[in-house]
Amino acid sequence: EAGVTQFPSHSVIEKGQTVTLRCDPISGHDNLYWYRRVMGKEIKFLLHFVKESKQDESGMPNNRFLAERTGGTYSTLKVQPAELEDSGVYFCASSQLTGVVSPLHFGNGTRLTVT
Amino acid sequence: GQNIDQPTEMTATEGAIVQINCTYQTSGFNGLFWYQQHAGEAPTFLSYNVLDGLEEKGRFSSFLSRSKGYSYLLLKELQMKDSASYLCAVRDQKSGYALNFGKGTSLLVTP
Repeated sequence: EAGVTQFPSHSVIEKGQTVTLRCDPISGHDNLYWYRRVMGKEIKFLLHFVKESKQDESGMPNNRFLAERTGGTYSTLKVQPAELEDSGVYFCASSQLTGVVSPLHFGNGTRLTVT
Repeated sequence: GQNIDQPTEMTATEGAIVQINCTYQTSGFNGLFWYQQHAGEAPTFLSYNVLDGLEEKGRFSSFLSRSKGYSYLLLKELQMKDSASYLCAVRDQKSGYALNFGKGTSLLVTP
């Protein structure tokens, strides 16, 4: 089966610009997660979708970040306007089941650099 | 939240055994995961523990002691390709299904 795919793999933008990251989960996976790793820090949770609904968005840093998952398939994460501290690697992950142990399958991430 | 601690770096020799420790503090513990991540690639799932004891999966084993807030990942018969970052992640009831990660342990396997 195809894994979790993320696009783009790299993005370099200037402070104040807008960037949209895309994630295509494994087909049939209802659960979709966004995580972020800032340099030197641990991977941190941003939010969790179950199908098209936001289950938990407690990790979203502020209202410059907007995640959507229309139709319950792929998801986008928009950063507008981008700030320097938004630089990092943004990972998407998906899993099949919610109520039982179901490992997260991660994508390769999008490396975002804000200059 | 959790404090998840793991060593920053470890070095081991090809063919040897290495143990990577992880300690955590949490309320409402609901599972501990180990992931492997090669540079520039996705973290990949290795193991899961929710009950005390040892889970063995080929060359990799993971141990959990909930009372001590402690886990380790044991890698046997090390191969060069095992050089990677190993991430300990904890889930608790407060965070729902979100995983909370440690900073990872960078393992270098030398000839």
